[in-house]
Amino acid sequence: SQKIEQNSEALNIQEGKTATLTCNYTNYSPAYLQWYRQDPGRGPVFLLLIRENEKEKRKERLKVTFDTTLKQSLFHITASQPADSATYLCASRARGSTLGRLYFGRGTQLTVWP
Amino acid sequence: GAGVSQTPSNKVTEKGKYVELRCDPISGHTALYWYRQSLGQGPEFLIYFQGTGAADDSGLPNDRFFAVRPEGSVSTLKIQRTERGDSAVYLCASSFSGLADLNTGELFFGEGSRLTVL
Repeated sequence: SQKIEQNSEALNIQEGKTATLTCNYTNYSPAYLQWYRQDPGRGPVFLLLIRENEKEKRKERLKVTFDTTLKQSLFHITASQPADSATYLCASRARGSTLGRLYFGRGTQLTVWP
Repeated sequence: GAGVSQTPSNKVTEKGKYVELRCDPISGHTALYWYRQSLGQGPEFLIYFQGTGAADDSGLPNDRFFAVRPEGSVSTLKIQRTERGDSAVYLCASSFSGLADLNTGELFFGEGSRLTVL
Protein backbone atom coordinates (compact mmCIF):
# COMPACT_ATOMS: atom_id res chain seq x y z
CA SER A 1 0.00 0.00 0.00
CA GLN A 2 1.04 3.60 -0.45
CA LYS A 3 3.06 4.97 2.41
CA ILE A 4 4.45 8.35 3.25
CA GLU A 5 6.65 8.57 6.30
CA GLN A 6 8.29 11.22 8.38
CA ASN A 7 10.74 9.26 10.42
CA SER A 8 11.59 11.90 12.98
CA GLU A 9 8.81 12.62 15.41
CA ALA A 10 10.72 15.50 16.95
CA LEU A 11 13.66 17.71 16.11
CA ASN A 12 15.24 20.20 18.50
CA ILE A 13 17.72 22.76 17.23
CA GLN A 14 19.28 26.01 18.33
CA GLU A 15 18.17 29.33 16.90
CA GLY A 16 20.12 30.32 13.82
CA LYS A 17 20.84 26.76 12.71
CA THR A 18 19.31 25.04 9.70
CA ALA A 19 16.52 22.59 10.41
CA THR A 20 16.27 19.65 8.01
CA LEU A 21 13.16 17.47 7.99
CA THR A 22 12.78 14.26 6.00
CA CYS A 23 9.84 12.74 4.18
CA ASN A 24 10.04 9.31 2.53
CA TYR A 25 7.51 7.54 0.36
CA THR A 26 7.13 3.91 -0.70
CA ASN A 27 5.07 1.87 -3.14
CA TYR A 28 3.96 4.75 -5.33
CA SER A 29 5.16 7.69 -7.40
CA PRO A 30 4.01 11.08 -6.16
CA ALA A 31 2.89 13.61 -8.74
CA TYR A 32 4.04 16.20 -6.21
CA LEU A 33 4.88 16.69 -2.57
CA GLN A 34 3.56 19.43 -0.34
CA TRP A 35 4.73 20.71 3.02
CA TYR A 36 2.42 22.17 5.62
CA ARG A 37 2.94 23.80 9.00
CA GLN A 38 0.59 23.00 11.87
CA ASP A 39 0.50 24.84 15.17
CA PRO A 40 -1.17 23.27 18.25
CA GLY A 41 -4.95 23.39 18.01
CA ARG A 42 -4.88 24.84 14.49
CA GLY A 43 -5.37 23.51 11.00
CA PRO A 44 -2.40 22.89 8.69
CA VAL A 45 -1.13 25.82 6.65
CA PHE A 46 0.37 25.27 3.20
CA LEU A 47 4.02 26.21 2.74
CA LEU A 48 5.47 24.76 -0.46
CA LEU A 49 4.76 22.36 -3.28
CA ILE A 50 7.39 20.57 -5.39
CA ARG A 51 6.50 18.56 -8.48
CA GLU A 52 8.07 15.29 -9.57
CA ASN A 53 10.02 16.98 -12.36
CA GLU A 54 11.51 19.60 -10.04
CA LYS A 55 14.64 19.09 -7.97
CA GLU A 56 14.42 22.07 -5.65
CA LYS A 57 12.05 24.87 -4.64
CA ARG A 58 12.73 27.90 -2.47
CA LYS A 59 10.60 30.41 -0.64
CA GLU A 60 12.31 32.91 1.64
CA ARG A 61 14.08 30.85 4.34
CA LEU A 62 12.46 27.62 3.18
CA LYS A 63 13.87 25.12 0.73
CA VAL A 64 12.44 21.79 -0.35
CA THR A 65 14.08 19.11 -2.49
CA PHE A 66 12.64 16.08 -4.24
CA ASP A 67 14.80 13.05 -5.01
CA THR A 68 12.84 10.43 -6.97
CA THR A 69 15.79 8.01 -6.81
CA LEU A 70 15.92 8.06 -3.02
CA LYS A 71 12.11 8.45 -2.86
CA GLN A 72 12.62 11.31 -0.49
CA SER A 73 11.90 14.98 0.07
CA LEU A 74 13.94 17.18 2.37
CA PHE A 75 12.56 20.36 3.91
CA HIS A 76 15.03 22.94 5.14
CA ILE A 77 14.49 26.03 7.28
CA THR A 78 17.59 28.21 7.29
CA ALA A 79 18.41 30.72 10.03
CA SER A 80 15.75 29.10 12.19
CA GLN A 81 13.87 31.13 14.79
CA PRO A 82 11.83 30.15 17.86
CA ALA A 83 8.74 31.25 15.89
CA ASP A 84 9.44 28.37 13.48
CA SER A 85 8.58 25.91 16.25
CA ALA A 86 5.62 23.86 15.03
CA THR A 87 4.74 20.50 13.52
CA TYR A 88 5.62 20.15 9.85
CA LEU A 89 3.65 17.75 7.69
CA CYS A 90 4.50 16.41 4.27
CA ALA A 91 1.74 15.32 1.94
CA SER A 92 1.54 13.86 -1.52
CA ARG A 93 -0.80 12.81 -4.24
CA ALA A 94 0.03 9.71 -6.23
CA ARG A 95 -0.03 9.91 -9.99
CA GLY A 96 -3.30 8.45 -11.18
CA SER A 97 -5.11 8.89 -7.89
CA THR A 98 -8.12 11.11 -7.34
CA LEU A 99 -7.04 14.70 -7.66
CA GLY A 100 -8.36 15.62 -4.25
CA ARG A 101 -6.86 12.84 -2.19
CA LEU A 102 -3.69 13.69 -0.31
CA TYR A 103 -1.71 11.31 1.87
CA PHE A 104 -0.11 12.95 4.90
CA GLY A 105 2.83 11.90 7.00
CA ARG A 106 2.46 11.97 10.76
CA GLY A 107 4.53 15.12 11.04
CA THR A 108 7.77 16.19 12.66
CA GLN A 109 7.57 18.47 15.68
CA LEU A 110 10.27 21.11 15.41
CA THR A 111 11.42 23.05 18.46
CA VAL A 112 13.84 25.94 17.99
CA TRP A 113 15.36 27.09 21.24
CA PRO A 114 16.99 30.49 21.77
CA GLY B 1 -13.91 35.96 7.86
CA ALA B 2 -12.28 34.89 4.63
CA GLY B 3 -11.07 31.50 5.79
CA VAL B 4 -12.62 28.07 6.11
CA SER B 5 -15.04 28.04 9.02
CA GLN B 6 -15.88 24.92 11.00
CA THR B 7 -18.51 24.49 13.69
CA PRO B 8 -18.63 23.42 16.39
CA SER B 9 -15.01 23.83 17.42
CA ASN B 10 -15.57 21.28 20.18
CA LYS B 11 -18.17 18.58 20.53
CA VAL B 12 -18.51 16.13 23.39
CA THR B 13 -21.05 13.38 22.93
CA GLU B 14 -21.95 10.01 24.33
CA LYS B 15 -21.36 6.72 22.62
CA GLY B 16 -24.22 5.87 20.29
CA LYS B 17 -25.32 9.45 19.63
CA TYR B 18 -25.59 11.19 16.27
CA VAL B 19 -23.27 14.09 15.43
CA GLU B 20 -23.14 16.69 12.66
CA LEU B 21 -20.07 18.77 11.88
CA ARG B 22 -20.36 21.75 9.59
CA CYS B 23 -17.87 23.30 7.19
CA ASP B 24 -18.19 26.64 5.40
CA PRO B 25 -15.48 26.83 2.73
CA ILE B 26 -13.83 29.87 1.24
CA SER B 27 -16.21 31.61 -1.14
CA GLY B 28 -15.65 30.50 -4.73
CA HIS B 29 -13.81 27.30 -3.84
CA THR B 30 -15.36 24.43 -5.74
CA ALA B 31 -13.43 21.65 -4.06
CA LEU B 32 -14.03 20.64 -0.45
CA TYR B 33 -12.31 17.97 1.61
CA TRP B 34 -12.82 16.28 4.95
CA TYR B 35 -9.91 14.83 6.86
CA ARG B 36 -9.65 13.26 10.31
CA GLN B 37 -6.63 13.72 12.54
CA SER B 38 -5.96 11.62 15.61
CA LEU B 39 -3.50 12.69 18.28
CA GLY B 40 0.08 12.44 17.05
CA GLN B 41 -0.95 11.50 13.53
CA GLY B 42 -1.21 13.29 10.23
CA PRO B 43 -4.58 14.10 8.66
CA GLU B 44 -6.32 11.08 7.15
CA PHE B 45 -8.45 11.57 4.04
CA LEU B 46 -12.19 10.93 4.37
CA ILE B 47 -14.01 12.44 1.40
CA TYR B 48 -13.59 14.97 -1.41
CA PHE B 49 -16.34 17.01 -3.11
CA GLN B 50 -16.11 18.73 -6.46
CA GLY B 51 -19.14 20.99 -6.47
CA THR B 52 -22.15 19.16 -5.06
CA GLY B 53 -20.97 15.65 -5.80
CA ALA B 54 -18.63 13.42 -3.83
CA ALA B 55 -15.77 12.75 -6.25
CA ASP B 56 -14.06 10.34 -3.87
CA ASP B 57 -15.57 8.96 -0.66
CA SER B 58 -13.23 6.01 -0.35
CA GLY B 59 -11.76 7.32 2.90
CA LEU B 60 -14.99 7.12 4.87
CA PRO B 61 -14.29 4.34 7.40
CA ASN B 62 -17.75 2.73 7.36
CA ASP B 63 -21.40 3.41 6.65
CA ARG B 64 -21.86 5.33 9.90
CA PHE B 65 -20.10 8.24 8.21
CA PHE B 66 -21.80 10.33 5.57
CA ALA B 67 -21.21 13.79 4.13
CA VAL B 68 -23.28 16.12 1.98
CA ARG B 69 -22.77 19.36 0.12
CA PRO B 70 -26.21 20.04 -1.36
CA GLU B 71 -25.59 23.48 -2.84
CA GLY B 72 -21.91 23.19 -3.61
CA SER B 73 -20.86 25.39 -0.72
CA VAL B 74 -21.45 24.39 2.92
CA SER B 75 -20.81 20.76 3.77
CA THR B 76 -21.96 18.65 6.69
CA LEU B 77 -20.22 15.54 7.94
CA LYS B 78 -22.65 13.23 9.70
CA ILE B 79 -21.66 10.45 12.07
CA GLN B 80 -24.27 7.99 13.29
CA ARG B 81 -24.04 5.77 16.38
CA THR B 82 -20.77 7.34 17.43
CA GLU B 83 -18.06 5.15 18.95
CA ARG B 84 -15.15 6.08 21.20
CA GLY B 85 -12.79 5.39 18.31
CA ASP B 86 -14.40 8.23 16.37
CA SER B 87 -12.80 10.73 18.76
CA ALA B 88 -10.48 12.93 16.73
CA VAL B 89 -10.16 16.36 15.17
CA TYR B 90 -12.18 16.58 11.97
CA LEU B 91 -10.58 18.98 9.53
CA CYS B 92 -12.25 20.56 6.55
CA ALA B 93 -10.33 22.12 3.69
CA SER B 94 -11.21 23.80 0.44
CA SER B 95 -9.44 24.79 -2.74
CA PHE B 96 -10.32 26.77 -5.83
CA SER B 97 -10.34 23.63 -7.90
CA GLY B 98 -9.66 19.97 -7.39
CA LEU B 99 -7.49 20.17 -10.49
CA ALA B 100 -4.37 20.51 -8.41
CA ASP B 101 -2.06 20.11 -11.34
CA LEU B 102 -3.14 23.47 -12.64
CA ASN B 103 -2.17 25.40 -9.55
CA THR B 104 -0.20 25.03 -6.35
CA GLY B 105 -2.51 22.30 -5.13
CA GLU B 106 -2.79 24.25 -1.92
CA LEU B 107 -5.49 23.21 0.50
CA PHE B 108 -6.91 25.83 2.85
CA PHE B 109 -7.77 24.18 6.14
CA GLY B 110 -10.17 25.23 8.85
CA GLU B 111 -9.28 25.05 12.52
CA GLY B 112 -11.07 21.74 12.92
CA SER B 113 -13.87 20.33 15.02
CA ARG B 114 -12.63 18.34 18.00
CA LEU B 115 -14.98 15.43 18.62
CA THR B 116 -14.85 13.53 21.90
CA VAL B 117 -17.02 10.45 22.30
CA LEU B 118 -17.40 9.36 25.92
